[in-house]
Amino acid sequence: AQSVSQHNHHVILSEAASLELGCNYSYGGTVNLFWYVQYPGQHLQLLLKYFSGDPLVKGIKGFEAEFIKSKFSFNLRKPSVQWSDTAEYFCAVRKGGKLIFGQGTELSVKP
Amino acid sequence: EAGVVQSPRYKIIEKKQPVAFWCNPISGHNTLYWYRQNLGQGPELLIRYENEEAVDDSQLPKDRFSAERLKGVDSTLKIQPAELGDSAVYLCASTSPGQAYSGANVLTFGAGSRLTVL
Repeated sequence: AQSVSQHNHHVILSEAASLELGCNYSYGGTVNLFWYVQYPGQHLQLLLKYFSGDPLVKGIKGFEAEFIKSKFSFNLRKPSVQWSDTAEYFCAVRKGGKLIFGQGTELSVKP
Repeated sequence: EAGVVQSPRYKIIEKKQPVAFWCNPISGHNTLYWYRQNLGQGPELLIRYENEEAVDDSQLPKDRFSAERLKGVDSTLKIQPAELGDSAVYLCASTSPGQAYSGANVLTFGAGSRLTVL
């Protein structure tokens, strides 16, 4: 079945550590890719998006993601996390008018 | 600009009772989505509207779920009767036509309605 897979369910890091959250999808053809973030008690917010062009996209709060078409991946990265990055992160793929989400990765950053 | 507004934020009901959720999208956003988010999972699409037309309701459990968007603006999602497994957060999102078909389908989400069925 076609899907969006996030590799880690829960990631725990110390402040200043580097972050990489994996995302793979199984849809062929043209897709648009997104990372959304949900801070505790808040609604889903767009972190960054990829449509075309440069496969390395930069988002808010120092996050970036790299689209690797051959690997069907769109991994999220941040060089140095902060306590305030504690949140749940969702990868999403737009295909045919639908936005399909992965199961989410909970990130806990220890101060 | 007001965001996507949903109500109620929280609802606790007994099983077999009906429940309804309301969503008011961002002004000018013609496309409206209802998603369900179970605990520890990503949101799953229930239904998508383009104006007042439901263009994708393939994931909506039609035996007990219904939705409407009569004037192409606000929308209501109803469950009747509710079951224990319906406990979840029901999310509404919207986007404008330009965003939806230009490849830039950036959905703006509401805060969600958390349903607990006892």
